[in-house]
Amino acid sequence: DTGVSQDPRHKITKRGQNVTFRCDPISEHNRLYWYRQTLGQGPEFLTYFQNEAQLEKSRLLSDRFSAERPKGSFSTLEIQRTEQGDSAMYLCASSFPVRGSWVRTDTQYFGPGTRLTVL
Amino acid sequence: AQTVTQSQPEMSVQEAETVTLSCTYDTSENNYYLFWYKQPPSRQMILVIRQEAYKQQNATENRFSVNFQKAAKSFSLKISDSQLGDTAMYFCAFMKQGGANSKLTFGKGITLSVRP
Repeated sequence: DTGVSQDPRHKITKRGQNVTFRCDPISEHNRLYWYRQTLGQGPEFLTYFQNEAQLEKSRLLSDRFSAERPKGSFSTLEIQRTEQGDSAMYLCASSFPVRGSWVRTDTQYFGPGTRLTVL
Repeated sequence: AQTVTQSQPEMSVQEAETVTLSCTYDTSENNYYLFWYKQPPSRQMILVIRQEAYKQQNATENRFSVNFQKAAKSFSLKISDSQLGDTAMYFCAFMKQGGANSKLTFGKGITLSVRP
């Protein structure tokens, strides 16, 4: 396993278009997170899945944003009617909270991100 | 709610020297984790070091070590024998332990430049 992957790496779109990003977590990880990072800032939490259940959404995630993880494996993040303010790096991370294991519990491993530019 | 503050936007260090990056945080939680992540230019974020709040001993990973002061809510990162490959943005992050959501709260980051 080579880690968390994200597709596409870059996306340029026109305002008003819909875009969808994909994240493939590390295979044994059951927790998956989406973050958004704007230039010069730290990532901000958007939403979180445990297996296929979406357990929390940030207030940053407006009604134009939707995320799914249908089979508890990969996840998609869709933005409808994109706005210029949506331009950012969208990061995915995964973790596997194993108790009583030497594996580092609750440590999140990040993908390379999808950079979205809305013209 | 938790907050993480990194007040130094940029730092520079000569290759082979030591540099310390500062981080403070605010929380009412007693059990939590603290992390330093590194984000090289145009590359993905990777974990540098992690500290459990219940541990008094400071974490160490090769050239990287932390100074964790729980009472002062301070968590600084020391990089010894700085290398050119250490040039990156460094983020301090907080995670509440336990509960259903282990989301990370990040600081704004600090840009570290290592000079040859």
